[in-house]
Amino acid sequence: GAVVSQHPSWVICKSGTSVKIECRSLDFQATTMFWYRQFPKQSLMLMATSNEGSKATYEQGVEKDKFLINHASLTLSTLTVTSAHPEDSSFYICSARDEASGTSEQFFGPGTRLTVL
Amino acid sequence: GENVEQHPSTLSVQEGDSAVIKCTYSDSASNYFPWYKQELGKRPQLIIDIRSNVGEKKDQRIAVTLNKTAKHFSLHITETQPEDSAVYFCAASPGTYKYIFGTGTRLKVLA
Repeated sequence: GAVVSQHPSWVICKSGTSVKIECRSLDFQATTMFWYRQFPKQSLMLMATSNEGSKATYEQGVEKDKFLINHASLTLSTLTVTSAHPEDSSFYICSARDEASGTSEQFFGPGTRLTVL
Repeated sequence: GENVEQHPSTLSVQEGDSAVIKCTYSDSASNYFPWYKQELGKRPQLIIDIRSNVGEKKDQRIAVTLNKTAKHFSLHITETQPEDSAVYFCAASPGTYKYIFGTGTRLKVLA
């Protein structure tokens, strides 16, 4: 149980285009999901907390208009990187907490590698 | 906000020896401290966690200790094996269930 999927696993796009990444909790419901960004050989940096049915909470320094987050259902959150540029190239990972379990553990998706040309 | 420091950044040990990774956190409200193992290009995998009301937790070769007063927590791996080689991240959860990760430790177990 507690499986999180992401789609796509990798994407290559041209500078200036937008890219949407999906994060799904497959066997549990998640009112809260989290989006992280990880540059090569670096740590996971929390970008935002995605809240089902309400606005996401962004971490300091993360542009909310550039990284659009939508959490329209209890099993799906999407991250859209708008007007992507080469510096947005990174590994994007989502996570979700199974609230029904009563634990604080987050389950991570497999990540999406974004390359902006 | 919460800040988590992790040391060392790289660690090489001989197979069979122990490895210790240390983290410090800044926010006294943090109450949950997980440790993750990440292999290259893969998702982080939880290996052990500890809550703030516990001082130590052990799971076979892996143990975690927490010193709330000093805001320190440490990962101990005994009898290391080559398959333990990976990047390890500590994290602190300062409430609202979000995680703030440490900078990571690249562990290499030499056969």
